Amino acid sequence: DGGITQSPKYLFRKEGQNVTLSCEQNLNHDAMYWYRQDPGQGLRLIYYSQIVNDFQKGDIAEGYSVSREKKESFPLTVTSAQKNPTAFYLCASSIGGRITDTQYFGPGTRLTVL
Amino acid sequence: AQSVTQLDSHVSVSEGTPVLLRCNYSSSYSPSLFWYVQHPNKGLQLLLKYTSAATLVKGINGFEAEFKKSETSFHLTKPSAHMSDAAEYFCVVSEDNYGQNFVFGPGTRLSVLP
Repeated sequence: DGGITQSPKYLFRKEGQNVTLSCEQNLNHDAMYWYRQDPGQGLRLIYYSQIVNDFQKGDIAEGYSVSREKKESFPLTVTSAQKNPTAFYLCASSIGGRITDTQYFGPGTRLTVL
Repeated sequence: AQSVTQLDSHVSVSEGTPVLLRCNYSSSYSPSLFWYVQHPNKGLQLLLKYTSAATLVKGINGFEAEFKKSETSFHLTKPSAHMSDAAEYFCVVSEDNYGQNFVFGPGTRLSVLP
C-alpha cells in the first residue's frame, strides 16, 4: 500500500535534548511538508521541500531543522532551541507544489517534553 | 496573502440531522480550497477539494461544499449526520504556486449526539 509513515507515534524528550522525527513516503511525491498542530490553532508550516536536497523555512522554522537527502524521506529534528516543542507533528507530501495538488498526511507523532 | 476563517470552533448536532460547517477565505487570486477531517490522534484525510471546476463539490462520506466567490465562502454540508462524523474539520486555502501554499483554518470540532 502506498502512503506516508511517521515514527514513532509517541515520543518523550527531556529538556535540552535534540530529537528526530521520521517521515517516509512511497507515493513518489516530489514535495514534502512538516506541520505542527496545537489545540485551536490549526496547522502551521515548519519546513517544506519541493525536491531532493532543497528545503525552505515555513512560518515557524525556528528551533527546527530538516534534511532531504532522499526523495522518500524528510526527517525533522526538534532542537533544544525550540522553546515549546510539546505538540502534535504531521508530515505531508504532494505530487508537486501546485495550488491544486492535494497534500496527503501521515498519522502524526505526538512529542512531549518532560 | 490568503487566510481562512472557520466561524465556529465547535458544532453539535443530533444524529440524522443536517451538518453545516462554515468557512470563509481571503485570497488575492483564484484559490483552490480543501476540506480535511481529523479523527482523534490521527492524521488528516481529504474530504473534498475545489480547483476552479464545478462550484458544488462532492466528497467522501456524503459531504459536499459549495464555492461562492461573491461571499468568499466554502461551507461544508451533509444532509444527515452519523456518529462516525464526530471529528475535527479543517478548511484550507491554497493560492501560491509552489512552496507555502496551504493555509489552514483553526478547525471546527463536530460533535454528534445520539
